[in-house]
Amino acid sequence: GAGVSQSPSNKVTEKGKDVELRCDPISGHTALYWYRQSLGQGLEFLIYFQGNSAPDKSGLPSDRFSAERTGGSVSTLTIQRTQQEDSAVYLCASSRQDNSPLHFGNGTRLTVT
Amino acid sequence: QQQVKQSPQSLIVQKGGISIINCAYENTAFDYFPWYQQFPGKGPALLIAIRPDVSEKKEGRFTISFNKSAKQFSLHIMDSQPGDSATYFCAASINDYKLSFGAGTTVTVRA
Repeated sequence: GAGVSQSPSNKVTEKGKDVELRCDPISGHTALYWYRQSLGQGLEFLIYFQGNSAPDKSGLPSDRFSAERTGGSVSTLTIQRTQQEDSAVYLCASSRQDNSPLHFGNGTRLTVT
Repeated sequence: QQQVKQSPQSLIVQKGGISIINCAYENTAFDYFPWYQQFPGKGPALLIAIRPDVSEKKEGRFTISFNKSAKQFSLHIMDSQPGDSATYFCAASINDYKLSFGAGTTVTVRA
């Protein structure tokens, strides 16, 4: 595709439910990041995938958060037992490799009621 | 804690004026300093970036000034236009890996 694609664009869920957010990176991009953007805040790093290397999960805020990347392409961010403080925009970004610019998707706006 | 501190939180400038956004960092290992522009409902997009071996980089109306000794860098938007109204984020990283972002500055350009 032309850019990083994220789905859904909006997600409203009840507290305690699990959600899955999807990211389709730009074809050929080996690096993939997930960031979280809360209202009035900067972007908070969550997790990083690069090729076949073990992911850098150092930014995941709790064990309710997990992510996987299948076949080096599509990635899914899963939040279990959602809490109201999880409400934010979740952004995915990809790059051709390290040392190249990040391309962001338009994000998934998650609202936990 | 936030590794990159950005100010101001918001600013309003008249069309044709200069917008200035400042960022400061502590980690002297940072070697890549990009600025991202974000419009409502969109993801951030790379605007301009600098490395610490230069003190200034200009691309069109956008200029980054970098002061390594002060650990500060800034974005100047010259001849600001209504289409420049957006949120701007500074960021920093080591080897282009795992960017740390500032909190963002919302710029409003009045016609």
